[in-house]
Amino acid sequence: GEDVEQSLFLSVREGDSSVINCTYTDSSSTYLYWYKQEPGAGLQLLTYIFSNMDMKQDQRLTVLLNKKDKHLSLRIADTQTGDSAIYFCAESPNAGNNRKLIWGLGTSLAVNP
Amino acid sequence: NAGVTQTPKFRILKIGQSMTLQCAQDMNHNYMYWYRQDPGMGLKLIYYSVGAGITDKGEVPNGYNVSRSTTEDFPLRLELAAPSQTSVYFCASSYDGGRNTIYFGEGSWLTVV
Repeated sequence: GEDVEQSLFLSVREGDSSVINCTYTDSSSTYLYWYKQEPGAGLQLLTYIFSNMDMKQDQRLTVLLNKKDKHLSLRIADTQTGDSAIYFCAESPNAGNNRKLIWGLGTSLAVNP
Repeated sequence: NAGVTQTPKFRILKIGQSMTLQCAQDMNHNYMYWYRQDPGMGLKLIYYSVGAGITDKGEVPNGYNVSRSTTEDFPLRLELAAPSQTSVYFCASSYDGGRNTIYFGEGSWLTVV
């Protein structure tokens, strides 16, 4: 069945780069998303990538998509303590249908000063 | 600058009680969603709505009901609360069901004892 997998925890030092990985199973997925959840708050969209792209960069964020391996990664450059949060990967099969979004369990990023 | 507003933020219910989680959005979004988030689990879609007067079940609808009498409001009703409904509930909205950003409320922490 459809599934999205992420590692549950990642710990980095402030100033280092963080790489959060995600694998998905539905090859028809057209959009893949990264959402951020800060403690006690709702999820906020960080970025998304369309399946015909390999890479997308937005300031400190770089998203890499390997469609052959169904692997998505989020790289955060110069990680700051404010980046500590849970990061959710989500895939959207069925041509970008939000009703069918499949969510990973989230990766908890801890940034140590 | 309200976005998606959920109330209450915290609630303790006794088994068998009923309650309604309120959700309102001021962005004129057509689509609205209710998710639950259990510890160590990804988001699960409870119900969604594609417009006023239209609702449909998500992955985990049992024990819940919704209504969408206006574009702005999408309340979630829990009838006969059970301990299995202890969770964090997120309301969300999006302009349409495609790739547009989903905006989340801050969450409602519900404990059933």
